[in-house]
Amino acid sequence: DADVTQTPRNRITKTGKRIMLECSQTKGHDRMYWYRQDPGLGLRLIYYSFDVKDINKGEISDGYSVSRQAQAKFSLSLESAIPNQTALYFCATSDFLGPGRGDTQYFGPGTRLTVL
Amino acid sequence: AQSVTQPDIHITVSEGASLELRCNYSYGATPYLFWYVQSPGQGLQLLLKYFSGDTLVQGIKGFEAEFKRSQSSFNLRKPSVHWSDAAEYFCAVGYTQGGSEKLVFGKGTKLTVNP
Repeated sequence: DADVTQTPRNRITKTGKRIMLECSQTKGHDRMYWYRQDPGLGLRLIYYSFDVKDINKGEISDGYSVSRQAQAKFSLSLESAIPNQTALYFCATSDFLGPGRGDTQYFGPGTRLTVL
Repeated sequence: AQSVTQPDIHITVSEGASLELRCNYSYGATPYLFWYVQSPGQGLQLLLKYFSGDTLVQGIKGFEAEFKRSQSSFNLRKPSVHWSDAAEYFCAVGYTQGGSEKLVFGKGTKLTVNP
């Protein structure tokens, strides 16, 4: 079984709809992240969470919200989807090794979202 | 601000040829450096990482990378490419900001392998 799973894997929706993308992990990591990938732009951080009570905005959080329901679950919501949110979304996890130790992030398989 | 540059958007090599993918970073302190690979329709898989110590790092699938502080580079190499190496490769720099560990990714290099 995969350590980091994302549901759904593919989703097509319409402008204005509310969408939730879910991420679950069995790695036991405290830290979880949401990224979006656009062709030619690499990955950009949307939100990250270092534990259930700690949620932080990334570089492109506008139009998104998140919920950390448990250590193992981190959901990304688009309250009112728009076409320029069409992208590939990745969830990632990492284990805190200590200050300045450089965490390694492990990625899920991605969710391809299309907003019409 | 921290940044990562992958100068080559697309590289084509023949199977069996050697490969070098370039990565340059901008970061004032000692960086943590990563290479990830994304096969078509897949997520990102960690190939290798550099935190400290030996500047030549060995990874999975026969890849290696060399950290050169003087050149702010972390180039990925493989002596003999296989058709299954066709994928997109991402370099990333990890850094600490306000007590938080973060990653900044390059825009990726797509590798095509000709038979």
